[in-house]
Amino acid sequence: QVHLVQSGAEVKKPGASVKISCRASGYMFSDYTMQWVRQAPGRGLEWLAWINGGNGNTKYSQRFEGRVTVTRDTATITVYLELRGLTFGDTAIYYCARGVFGTGIAVDFWGQGSLVTVSS
Amino acid sequence: QSALTQPASLSGSPGQSITISCAGGSGDIGGYNYVSWYQQHPGKVPKLLIYDIDNRPSGVSSRFSGSRSGNTASLTISGLQSEDEADYYCSSFSSGNTLVVFGGGTKLTVL
Repeated sequence: QVHLVQSGAEVKKPGASVKISCRASGYMFSDYTMQWVRQAPGRGLEWLAWINGGNGNTKYSQRFEGRVTVTRDTATITVYLELRGLTFGDTAIYYCARGVFGTGIAVDFWGQGSLVTVSS
Repeated sequence: QSALTQPASLSGSPGQSITISCAGGSGDIGGYNYVSWYQQHPGKVPKLLIYDIDNRPSGVSSRFSGSRSGNTASLTISGLQSEDEADYYCSSFSSGNTLVVFGGGTKLTVL
């Protein structure tokens, strides 16, 4: 069965960077996209980025362009999200989620989430 | 401000049907067949209910159905049950500044 296991909670200072991992298993990684979505406390879902598991192509929300990088390691079947220049507004749970087969737009499996807290 | 507009809250009684709307534009909901809906219970991970406007993933109850008219998508829940009390989010492919956009979410209360 599909499993997405994310790295643990992080506490960072403003201006710092954070790198979150998402290890995938139970499916053919190269046939699917992986997306990153975040949710600030008490708020809705916000899309950040996606990566094609096969060719590594990436797309980012323009809101985060220049601050975010998504990479993949096909040897360990792990996807990484790096967010730089953290502000208090980046405090949120960050989820990796697998795109559905085919279009890859909707996501059908989610990681457990990684809480990032930005605090001085 | 979210790219897609949903009512902030809705309520219904057990057994009733309710419809959650999600308004967008021609650059997202109206222009592409890639509307999806998610259910999120408090403290839990979102769950995919509907994808590509009206498709249900395996294991999702047939009480959930999706549709679209013009630039507005809808999620209908029939035979409302207490466990349907949750937050619901719509999402769509977008030709704008971000590949995927979400609605602000609708809090559904089952009275």
